[in-house]
Amino acid sequence: EVQLVESGGGLVQPGGSLRLSCAASGFTFSSYEMNWVRQAPGKGLEWVSYISSSSSAMYYADSVKGRFTISRDNAKNSLYLQMNSLRAEDTAVYYCARNYFDSWGQGTLVTVSS
Amino acid sequence: QAVLTQPASLSASPGASASLTCTLRSGINVGTYRIYWYQQKPGSPPQYLLRYKSDSDKQQGSGVPSRFSGSKDASANAGILLISGLQSEDEADYYCMIWYSSAYVFGTGTKITVL
Repeated sequence: EVQLVESGGGLVQPGGSLRLSCAASGFTFSSYEMNWVRQAPGKGLEWVSYISSSSSAMYYADSVKGRFTISRDNAKNSLYLQMNSLRAEDTAVYYCARNYFDSWGQGTLVTVSS
Repeated sequence: QAVLTQPASLSASPGASASLTCTLRSGINVGTYRIYWYQQKPGSPPQYLLRYKSDSDKQQGSGVPSRFSGSKDASANAGILLISGLQSEDEADYYCMIWYSSAYVFGTGTKITVL
């Protein structure tokens, strides 16, 4: 069974940093592209970032470009999202998702507030 | 104008069919794209339903009932998710998605109410 478990969310002040993790199991992690998607409270889905299976390609939404960095460790079956210069509008539940979003984690809440 | 536009809400009766549209912005040809559909119930992450580009290029999500199906309306430049035989458990938010210009783009979402 595919499992994706996010962690690392929490309350952070504007301008602060946070690193999210996503632990994957139940599939060959190194063979799959991965993504981060976020959902602000009461709002729709917003794609954040993509990383290829070998980390050779990474893409970002314009709203996070230059502030967020996606990475992965295939040996640890883990996906990461380093978030810097956080803003109030980054407040959301952050999901990791496999491939074309065929599997999702339960999400981790990031709140940016003073 | 958003890349993908969906009606905000739709209501239908149990047993009826519901047709959800995902309209691509003018200048973006629906025929070129695989359109993905997701269902999200309150308090839960989204779930993958299906993918549709053409009758020869389509995929049903694992365990997704066949009463969920995809199609396109080229004249409207839109992807369509058809839900047949609506059930109360289908009450949820539905999102379409495409890969466009080196980014994944989600639609604005449609909330289905089963009356």
